[in-house]
Amino acid sequence: DAKTTQPTSMDCAEGRAANLPCNHSTISGNEYVYWYRQIHSQGPQYIIHGLKNNETNEMASLIITEDRKSSTLILPHATLRDTAVYYCIVTGANNLFFGTGTRLTVIP
Amino acid sequence: DTGVSQDPRHKITKRGQNVTFRCDPISEHNRLYWYRQTLGQGPEFLTYFQNEAQLEKSRLLSDRFSAERPKGSFSTLEIQRTEQGDSAMYLCASSLGFSGSTDTQYFGPGTRLTVL
Repeated sequence: DAKTTQPTSMDCAEGRAANLPCNHSTISGNEYVYWYRQIHSQGPQYIIHGLKNNETNEMASLIITEDRKSSTLILPHATLRDTAVYYCIVTGANNLFFGTGTRLTVIP
Repeated sequence: DTGVSQDPRHKITKRGQNVTFRCDPISEHNRLYWYRQTLGQGPEFLTYFQNEAQLEKSRLLSDRFSAERPKGSFSTLEIQRTEQGDSAMYLCASSLGFSGSTDTQYFGPGTRLTVL
């Protein structure tokens, strides 16, 4: 699976959009981009995934660049409950490689 | 709540003891995965099952670890002769089992193991 690069930490003001970047320059054609998040002491929570088109669901939007070498997860109106570690994963296999993710802190 | 349940949620044991964890996946899911997460790190893959068949094992799964899924439903993960280095969160996930990379995994709450 292709490796990903994410910032170690980010802050976001409550009510503002949180934009979490991810670089995956070695992604191959059949690999998807997945995002999970993990709130302290809980299991990872699936957020969204995509192949090459932008995706939106009730939790977030995923913007994938045309060359697929990077993506951005957007939480449109961050709340305090969105404080978590966010993992960007590129996978074409049966297991997920999580890395260390981005610790997002939503500030009141 | 994803529908994946794990039991127990917490386990404290003494070094050298055996422990067993249970995972109940979402009912129609054919695949079941085990991961381990140590403090400050992301989850690491251990093994996965397609129905009752164990199809892949990580090199992290030492000889002291064994996983089973006897009837293709729930799974158990046993650690024999526990060591302090086994202290971690053990996570279970399940998925429908589509081939390819659109097979989304849903995680349970985990079992936190502390080895004294």
